[in-house]
Amino acid sequence: DGGITQSPKYLFRKEGQNVTLSCEQNLNHDAMYWYRQDPGQGLRLIYYSQIVNDFQKGDIAEGYSVSREKKESFPLTVTSAQKNPTAFYLCASGPYGQGSTGELFFGEGSRLTVL
Amino acid sequence: AQSVSQHNHHVILSEAASLELGCNYSYGGTVNLFWYVQYPGQHLQLLLKYFSGDPLVKGIKGFEAEFIKSKFSFNLRKPSVQWSDTAEYFCAVNLYSSASKIIFGSGTRLSIRP
Repeated sequence: DGGITQSPKYLFRKEGQNVTLSCEQNLNHDAMYWYRQDPGQGLRLIYYSQIVNDFQKGDIAEGYSVSREKKESFPLTVTSAQKNPTAFYLCASGPYGQGSTGELFFGEGSRLTVL
Repeated sequence: AQSVSQHNHHVILSEAASLELGCNYSYGGTVNLFWYVQYPGQHLQLLLKYFSGDPLVKGIKGFEAEFIKSKFSFNLRKPSVQWSDTAEYFCAVNLYSSASKIIFGSGTRLSIRP
């Protein structure tokens, strides 16, 4: 089945630890995204990538890092510098380029809890 | 900075009532516009989209939205809601100047009384 796979679904970490969330897609999409979803705040863009080896900061990039070494993979690292990391993280992908309408396809999310 | 505003945070309706959810964006250039829906326990999925042509677009499950460029709005409507429409609804904007940057509103939780 084509889709986006996020792992782990639930993750607990202690304060001061970095953690990496995985996102893999087999939709052959060029663009990939990480959003953070908090109650009452909707989805806020952390990072996005239009092509391999390139990515841009979103609106709340501080305390996060990403890499895009392969088209199908876009892992997100939540570093110890992120002051309020407990949240629900959503990965998405979409086609990019001329003619693209920008529609996104979402994974099921990863819930990170910092203890 | 570009932003998307959804002013209704929680809407409660009875079945068969009409629905209108507001969405406004702040960006002067060309945009693509979307409504996504998140049913309880499910992942986000596309409800409908506008990218050109007729400003009145129809989506799945009887939803429609109208793009009013002069008002920077893209309100979602449904003439008669059902209990199964209970979900959270998100408006999103794809900014043409940065073709991949897609920003979302804060969402509107819709509760339908059976």
